[in-house]
Amino acid sequence: DVKVTQSSRYLVKRTGEKVFLECVQDMDHENMFWYRQDPGLGLRLIYFSYDVKMKEKGDIPEGYSVSREKKERFSLILESASTNQTSMYLCASSLSLVTGSYEQYFGPGTRLTVT
Amino acid sequence: GENVEQHPSTLSVQEGDSAVIKCTYSDSASNYFPWYKQELGKRPQLIIDIRSNVGEKKDQRIAVTLNKTAKHFSLHITETQPEDSAVYFCAATGFQKLVFGTGTRLLVSP
Repeated sequence: DVKVTQSSRYLVKRTGEKVFLECVQDMDHENMFWYRQDPGLGLRLIYFSYDVKMKEKGDIPEGYSVSREKKERFSLILESASTNQTSMYLCASSLSLVTGSYEQYFGPGTRLTVT
Repeated sequence: GENVEQHPSTLSVQEGDSAVIKCTYSDSASNYFPWYKQELGKRPQLIIDIRSNVGEKKDQRIAVTLNKTAKHFSLHITETQPEDSAVYFCAATGFQKLVFGTGTRLLVSP
């Protein structure tokens, strides 16, 4: 059973703080993704990674960066948190795009509030 | 890049009725179309998917149809039950990633 875990379920930070969100998957998946979920806007891709130390911008990368130093771990970084980054953040992983295994497994989400 | 539109944004049905959610996509190269269900407070989970070489796929009370020519695909839920109440997301493959629709909130009333 695939397990994707996220470091926090709820997080409250102040404007200007540096914020780290961590995601770990235990199924040796090649691809990992970070989304934010806002009402009426669906799941919007922030960044994704298809290999260690590789990263690709998604649809809304501004204000975010990522790090993937190990295959199982993908971190999302908010360099200077702002109130418009208050949202639910979801991590996901998938086996391999090369083999056509597109199914994504999601983590439980981190609800981040920036005050 | 790929763009996915999903309708309706909300759908209310009576228990036992059918529900249909529709999505359109823009990139004719997309070849994989999953549907995810997200119950309140939980993570999205895959419920059914279809690949571009198949026109229809069924799994018990849920089915997905794909029209490649028109670039749209639909989720059909028959004999709805209260536990079907959730937000449903469609998606289509873009380059190396999935592009999601904005979601449909389905409410099934007993």
